[in-house]
Amino acid sequence: DVKVTQSSRYLVKRTGEKVFLECVQDMDHENMFWYRQDPGLGLRLIYFSYDVKMKEKGDIPEGYSVSREKKERFSLILESASTNQTSMYLCASREGGNSGNTIYFGEGSWLTVV
Amino acid sequence: AQSVTQLDSQVPVFEEAPVELRCNYSSSVSVYLFWYVQYPNQGLQLLLKYLSGSTLVESINGFEAEFNKSQTSFHLRKPSVHISDTAEYFCAVSDSPYVAYDKVIFGPGTSLSVIP
Repeated sequence: DVKVTQSSRYLVKRTGEKVFLECVQDMDHENMFWYRQDPGLGLRLIYFSYDVKMKEKGDIPEGYSVSREKKERFSLILESASTNQTSMYLCASREGGNSGNTIYFGEGSWLTVV
Repeated sequence: AQSVTQLDSQVPVFEEAPVELRCNYSSSVSVYLFWYVQYPNQGLQLLLKYLSGSTLVESINGFEAEFNKSQTSFHLRKPSVHISDTAEYFCAVSDSPYVAYDKVIFGPGTSLSVIP
């Protein structure tokens, strides 16, 4: 089975702190994604990466950056956390070559910024 | 750009009753369509998808969805729901099937609550 592991399930951070959310997948997938999930808004794409060191902005990249130095790991960085970044963050991966391939999700990281 | 509409944010239904969760997407030449399910405190997982061929697709747990190109819809149905079907359901679309790294657009989700 594909496994996407997010390092932290629950985090509480202070406004202005730098926050790292780590994600690792074990299926050698080329594509990786970071989504933000909020009630009534569904999933919104923050960034995606289609290969190592490659990244593309999603729909809501402001206030976030990403890093993909190794194929299995995709990190989301909040440079200076703000209260409006309190949310559930979902990492996902997908085999490359066809956008019809299944996306596999991690269990999510609940981030609260106070 | 593609968009996905799920008109019903919450759907309560009694156990063993039928259910339909509605999904519409904005027009495109060709699309891939997906339904993902999120059980409480878990990430999303694929329920079923339409890529090509038969317009009716089925999942292993009794759900089915029909691709209707003229109505740009991909409604999800189950003839008899169980308590274990209580979850959030997300419709999603990929509007550039032949682009290897095309992003997938998700709808806002429908919360299905099955009442004993």
